[in-house]
Amino acid sequence: QLQLQESGPGLVKPSETLSLTCTVSGGFISSSSYYWGWIRQPPGKGLEWIGNVSDSGSTYYNPSLKSRVTIYVDTSKNQFSLKLSSVTAADTAVYYCARHRPEGGFDPWGQGTLVTVSS
Amino acid sequence: EIVLTQSPGTLSLSPGERATLSCRASQSVSSRYLAWYQQKPGQAPRLLIYGASSRATGIPDRFSGSGSGTDFTLTISRLEPEDFAVYYCQQYGNSPLTFGQGTKVEIK
Repeated sequence: QLQLQESGPGLVKPSETLSLTCTVSGGFISSSSYYWGWIRQPPGKGLEWIGNVSDSGSTYYNPSLKSRVTIYVDTSKNQFSLKLSSVTAADTAVYYCARHRPEGGFDPWGQGTLVTVSS
Repeated sequence: EIVLTQSPGTLSLSPGERATLSCRASQSVSSRYLAWYQQKPGQAPRLLIYGASSRATGIPDRFSGSGSGTDFTLTISRLEPEDFAVYYCQQYGNSPLTFGQGTKVEIK
């Protein structure tokens, strides 16, 4: 059964770069034509799509974050990662990684990790 | 960007009742590329419906999706205690992918 797990610092200072990694187990990132995505959810609010990456490294990002976001894949480690630069308090959220299926929808999801931006 | 508006914001119902949740798009959603998710407190969202009307693996048949164009509906035929949660629609036909703001189904 495919499982995803986010990891990374839970606290980031304003103006610094948020870095998270999603480790995929129970399957291989490179063995399929799926996209792999990052979604975030500020405390008590709704979901916001950040961007997706394919196993070959093709990316597409939310224009609202595009200037600050980099998503990349490391197939040798079966991981994909998110970098979000110049963070502010508005970037405080639970960050989820998930697989985006060709037939539609994100499934499965990681459990999510809370990242707080504060000095 | 396609804006998804969900209504109502909160739905107060009793177990056994029927729930009807609406998701309206600001422009037509390509090829019915619309999904529905359920989220419980402290948990990640769970995919219920994709392609507007196809149930994801393991989803009970009391959940059904319908609609096309700009108007979509999620119906829960008879609410079970575990169905009280927040529900989100999401379109994936156009970039950026977007989510609705959510409908909370609470126990009356």
